[in-house]
Amino acid sequence: SQQGEEDPQALSIQEGENATMNCSYKTSINNLQWYRQNSGRGLVHLILIRSNEREKHSGRLRVTLDTSKKSSSLLITASRAADTASYFCATDAIDYKLSFGAGTTVTVRA
Amino acid sequence: KAGVTQTPRYLIKTRGQQVTLSCSPISGHRSVSWYQQTPGQGLQFLFEYFSETQRNKGNFPGRFSGRQFSNSRSEMNVSTLELGDSALYLCASSLGTSGRFEQYFGPGTRLTVT
Repeated sequence: SQQGEEDPQALSIQEGENATMNCSYKTSINNLQWYRQNSGRGLVHLILIRSNEREKHSGRLRVTLDTSKKSSSLLITASRAADTASYFCATDAIDYKLSFGAGTTVTVRA
Repeated sequence: KAGVTQTPRYLIKTRGQQVTLSCSPISGHRSVSWYQQTPGQGLQFLFEYFSETQRNKGNFPGRFSGRQFSNSRSEMNVSTLELGDSALYLCASSLGTSGRFEQYFGPGTRLTVT
């Protein structure tokens, strides 16, 4: 079973707009990671945020973590066509095994 | 630095056969994890190896097995293939335990069972 659940399942935005997706998980975690997958570059790591961190930035990406609500969000600012991909959150609930959510499919329209 | 490589990239097998997939991690990475990705179940953790020892195992039947060699290269084997084993098998390497460190994924092996 999957520990994390992303919301929404799919998102379509105009180039230049921001995209926000959320991840909720069931049990306490040590770390949460976000990954992106597209047909061209496969599965790529975006950000790792630890349970004692609340926010992390990487370029146009911003990740927040709220351990009290067991949720995380990924914000992509000023989206580009190259951001079209599926985005997954992954948590390490038990023995640091990574458990992936079902993903959010993001389509950026020109 | 060369990325994670997986061979073969595509494979077609028939039910009942067995298959071995190979993964070469990034130089210096001692942890290798394997995942199965299907449209229905998504990305599921198979197992993780660190310094030739299996550190973690997912909820898969015993037909799925793996090993890691002293040079950190890893193989996974699936015996008595079933139609439901058709999937993209991804290998990832990292400096340490998969949950604590970022994973670098290979391109995957697309397995089709007929």
